Amino acid sequence: DVKVTQSSRYLVKRTGEKVFLECVQDMDHENMFWYRQDPGLGLRLIYFSYDVKMKEKGDIPEGYSVSREKKERFSLILESASTNQTSMYLCASSGGGAAFQETQYFGPGTRLLVL
Amino acid sequence: LAKTTQPISMDSYEGQEVNITCSHNNIATNDYITWYQQFPSQGPRFIIQGYKTKVTNEVASLFIPADRKSSTLSLPRVSLSDTAVYYCLVGSDNQGGKLIFGQGTELSVKP
Repeated sequence: DVKVTQSSRYLVKRTGEKVFLECVQDMDHENMFWYRQDPGLGLRLIYFSYDVKMKEKGDIPEGYSVSREKKERFSLILESASTNQTSMYLCASSGGGAAFQETQYFGPGTRLLVL
Repeated sequence: LAKTTQPISMDSYEGQEVNITCSHNNIATNDYITWYQQFPSQGPRFIIQGYKTKVTNEVASLFIPADRKSSTLSLPRVSLSDTAVYYCLVGSDNQGGKLIFGQGTELSVKP
């Protein structure tokens, strides 16, 4: 079974802090994704990556950056956390081929609270 | 961009068939339609994917009309464990690659 793990289930940070959310997948998947999930808004794509060192903006990239130095690891970075970034963050991965057509496997999510 | 619209919530009883419709009027030629299921405190899980007509697997069926402006997820004989949020997803890799999740339909199955 594909396993996608995220570094923390719950995280509390202060406004202005730099925050790193880590995601690791064990299936040698080419594509990796970061979403945020908010009540009433569903899942919104922040960034995705289809290869090491490659990244593409999703629908809401503002205030975020990403890093993919190794194939199995995709990091989401909040350079200066703000209260409006309080949310559930979900990482996903999918196999080779069309990034948005392959089945995505999600991690359990990180619930981030920014005070 | 293909925007998706789903009912916010639905109620059903055990043993009934449940149909959840997703509207995606601006779907592009190369877009696929995928449905995911999400339980509380978990990430979404793939259910089914289709491009046109009908697709069936061991869990659900997906009906897509010829114009592809909507799709219907059909869950046969639901049980209490099917209580979850169901998301419709439309996307392709064309033109920069855009991926649009619906807002999700919260299905509540009652005994």
